[in-house]
Amino acid sequence: GENVEQHPSTLSVQEGDSAVIKCTYSDSASNYFPWYKQELGKRPQLIIDIRSNVGEKKDQRIAVTLNKTAKHFSLHITETQPEDSAVYFCAASTGTASKLTFGTGTRLQVTL
Amino acid sequence: NAGVTQTPKFRVLKTGQSMTLLCAQDMNHEYMYWYRQDPGMGLRLIHYSVGEGTTAKGEVPDGYNVSRLKKQNFLLGLESAAPSQTSVYFCASSDRAGQFFGPGTRLTVL
Repeated sequence: GENVEQHPSTLSVQEGDSAVIKCTYSDSASNYFPWYKQELGKRPQLIIDIRSNVGEKKDQRIAVTLNKTAKHFSLHITETQPEDSAVYFCAASTGTASKLTFGTGTRLQVTL
Repeated sequence: NAGVTQTPKFRVLKTGQSMTLLCAQDMNHEYMYWYRQDPGMGLRLIHYSVGEGTTAKGEVPDGYNVSRLKKQNFLLGLESAAPSQTSVYFCASSDRAGQFFGPGTRLTVL
């Protein structure tokens, strides 16, 4: 089955700096890669996703890149703000309506 | 639309007791899922359903059963709870737009 590895497990940045979280996957059939943000005590929320026919996608301060050859994808957050502090999860699946395999999460702390 | 809802929000059980967690969605999604979330281990899939009347095992199905008698509901059952099942349980449903989660149920088994 699919295996998703996520790094780093914790990340601390100063407000205004950029943050990068990286994931690798094992199943070459995976073609859908969402990212979730989970605030303390809340549900995971879908923040951005990318499909295998696209190399990069951007939504305001958030961007995701995908390298299918190397089987890795990354989340980039620019101009970080305190409200970006949360746990971020990457995931992979063979379709948007298919079961997801999650990474173990990255706890992002944005300090003033 | 309420999206994905879960009941109860919290529950404390004694070892050996049984309970059922209810998930409901009003988005007419075919696919529904049950995950558990434990510290440092991310979200792990317990069981899932690709449509009314169907269920399938996920990554960690042992000790759990599920039923999908109606399209909008997905039930997760624990027949004989164990302390190892102490966790936060999330239900989700999905369509082509993505997978969306309920608010979670925090279960403690003493």
